[in-house]
Amino acid sequence: DAKTTQPNSMESNEEEPVHLPCNHSTISGTDYIHWYRQLPSQGPEYVIHGLTSNVNNRMASLAIAEDRKSSTLILHRATLRDAAVYYCILKVVGANSKLTFGKGITLSVRP
Amino acid sequence: GAGVSQSPRYKVAKRGQDVALRCDPISGHVSLFWYQQALGQGPEFLTYFQNEAQLDKSGLPSDRFFAERPEGSVSTLKIQRTQQEDSAVYLCASSLALAGRNEQFFGPGTRLTVL
Repeated sequence: DAKTTQPNSMESNEEEPVHLPCNHSTISGTDYIHWYRQLPSQGPEYVIHGLTSNVNNRMASLAIAEDRKSSTLILHRATLRDAAVYYCILKVVGANSKLTFGKGITLSVRP
Repeated sequence: GAGVSQSPRYKVAKRGQDVALRCDPISGHVSLFWYQQALGQGPEFLTYFQNEAQLDKSGLPSDRFFAERPEGSVSTLKIQRTQQEDSAVYLCASSLALAGRNEQFFGPGTRLTVL
């Protein structure tokens, strides 16, 4: 599976935008870029995914570099409830679409 | 509209005991996954079912780990002769269809502590 690289941690202030980076230089043409997050004592939760174009949903936006070797998850206004571990994952298209998690990036939000 | 549920939420076992962890996926979800999450780490894939068929068990760490989904809905992960290194959170996830793009919905996990 292609690998992703994320910083270990990031801090943000409440109500400010947050940009969480992810590098995936070995991405293949059929890999989708997925983001999940895991709040304390909960299972991971799907956030967003994309292939080539930027994507928006009610939770976040995903900006994908033109060469697809990096992407950025954007939380437009961080809240205290956004404090979590965020995982950037490359998901291979196929019947066994298992998720390969790394360590993720731990986001702290200051009030 | 219930999500994925898992039981028990917490399990303490003495080393050498057998345990069984249950997962109730979202109704109608074809795919079911089990993951193991050690403290401070991301979840790691254990096994995958498509309906009742176990299509991938490459992540199971030893032959003490066994999973089943006999009727294509509820799944059970069984660990025989538990060891201390089995202590972890065991997560179950289900997905609607076979396509690789579909998101997985996770349960809250079962925290297993082996003494």
